[in-house]
Amino acid sequence: GEDVEQSLFLSVREGDSSVINCTYTDSSSTYLYWYKQEPGAGLQLLTYIFSNMDMKQDQRLTVLLNKKDKHLSLRIADTQTGDSAIYFCAEIDVLNNAGNMLTFGGGTRLMVKP
Amino acid sequence: GAGVSQSPSNKVTEKGKDVELRCDPISGHTALYWYRQSLGQGLEFLIYFQGNSAPDKSGLPSDRFSAERTGGSVSTLTIQRTQQEDSAVYLCASSLGSPADTQYFGPGTRLTVL
Repeated sequence: GEDVEQSLFLSVREGDSSVINCTYTDSSSTYLYWYKQEPGAGLQLLTYIFSNMDMKQDQRLTVLLNKKDKHLSLRIADTQTGDSAIYFCAEIDVLNNAGNMLTFGGGTRLMVKP
Repeated sequence: GAGVSQSPSNKVTEKGKDVELRCDPISGHTALYWYRQSLGQGLEFLIYFQGNSAPDKSGLPSDRFSAERTGGSVSTLTIQRTQQEDSAVYLCASSLGSPADTQYFGPGTRLTVL
């Protein structure tokens, strides 16, 4: 399978910007996703980007995609304590029967200090 | 509207017993996925259902794992003769089916095998 990699941990102060990075290996992946997981909760879709875009902004969230380097980042502006969670990037991979599945990175734990 | 629901939320079982985990997808979603989240392996794809087509079982870790989807809606993941390494959070997701369609996740079932 393909590997998606993320750094394990990020700590920022409240009000600062957070940048979470991800590298992926499947250049044919058409969509790339960011999911958020709070303690004891399921995965919440934050945002996604189509592979023919290089940037997408959604309120405090900015996604940057560098297809040449297979690098995806998520920037959270004005980070709040409520943003503390684990963030997963994911790529879409095609299955043998033409279905699709998500391949996730290992997750980045974001800690926001007041 | 209602999201993906899963039951039970927690399951503790003894090694060697069989367990059944249930997923109710979002109404109208034709695609249904099972993933597993464990400390050692991160988030892994298990199985994919699309409409009435044969499921893609390529992610199932052993033949002790099986899944059904009745009437194109509710799905049951069955683990026979559970082992301690089966302990994980089992996540279900559903979508409208194409790679462009977002997968929405349920809250998961935490399985503990003693």
